[in-house]
Amino acid sequence: NAGVTQTPKFRVLKTGQSMTLLCAQDMNHEYMYWYRQDPGMGLRLIHYSVGEGTTAKGEVPDGYNVSRLKKQNFLLGLESAAPSQTSVYFCASSYWGLLRSGANVLTFGAGSRLTVL
Amino acid sequence: KQEVTQIPAALSVPEGENLVLNCSFTDSAIYNLQWFRQDPGKGLTSLLLIQSSQREQTSGRLNASLDKSSGRSTLYIAASQPGDSATYLCAVRGMDSSYKLIFGSGTRLLVRP
Repeated sequence: NAGVTQTPKFRVLKTGQSMTLLCAQDMNHEYMYWYRQDPGMGLRLIHYSVGEGTTAKGEVPDGYNVSRLKKQNFLLGLESAAPSQTSVYFCASSYWGLLRSGANVLTFGAGSRLTVL
Repeated sequence: KQEVTQIPAALSVPEGENLVLNCSFTDSAIYNLQWFRQDPGKGLTSLLLIQSSQREQTSGRLNASLDKSSGRSTLYIAASQPGDSATYLCAVRGMDSSYKLIFGSGTRLLVRP
C-alpha cells in the first residue's frame, strides 16, 4: 500500500530555476491537494484539484502552477524559484471532498523539502 | 479571517502522565475540526475528526472535545507513552465552499521514558 508518494524528497535550487514536484496516489482518490509547511505557521493550501483535468487556487497560489492530467498524479511546478519558496511541501488526497462528513480523511505524503538559495 | 492557535508550542511530560493539548479558533462557524499527528520527516496522519454538531470523539487513548461557542478544542491523551512523541496539529474546516483547512502551528510533544 504505497498511499501518497512524493518525489523528490529533497531538492536544492538556485533563485530563478524551475522544478516540478510530483505527487502520485494509488487509492483512486478524486481530490488532491498541495500544502506548504513553514516553521510556526502550520500548513497552508497552495492549490487543489477536485478531479482529473481540474485545478483550483488555494490560500497561497502565487508563484506556483499545478496540473492534474491523470487522476493519480498531481504536479506542482515552480517556474522561477524564489527564496521565499523554501519550505516543506506536502501532497494529500481524499476520496470525498472536505464537505462530506463521516470517514473522510486526508492521506498525506511524506513531504518534499525544498531549499532555494 | 479564521485563525487557529495551539498552545503550548512544545510540551515534555514523563511517561504515564495524562495530558491535554489545546486548540483555539477565532471563528466559531466551522464545519468540522480535525486533529493530526506528524512524526519527524513524515506526513500528517489524521487522528480524530469532530463534526460541528458533535461534542467529542474518542479513539483508544485519545479523546478530542469541541466547544464551538468558545472556539476551543482539546485533545486528551491518557497514559502517555514514548511512542506518542510527535507534533500534534489541529485544523478547522470553515462553512464556506472552499476546500481550505486552516491549520494551527502544532504542539510538539515529548514523552520521556
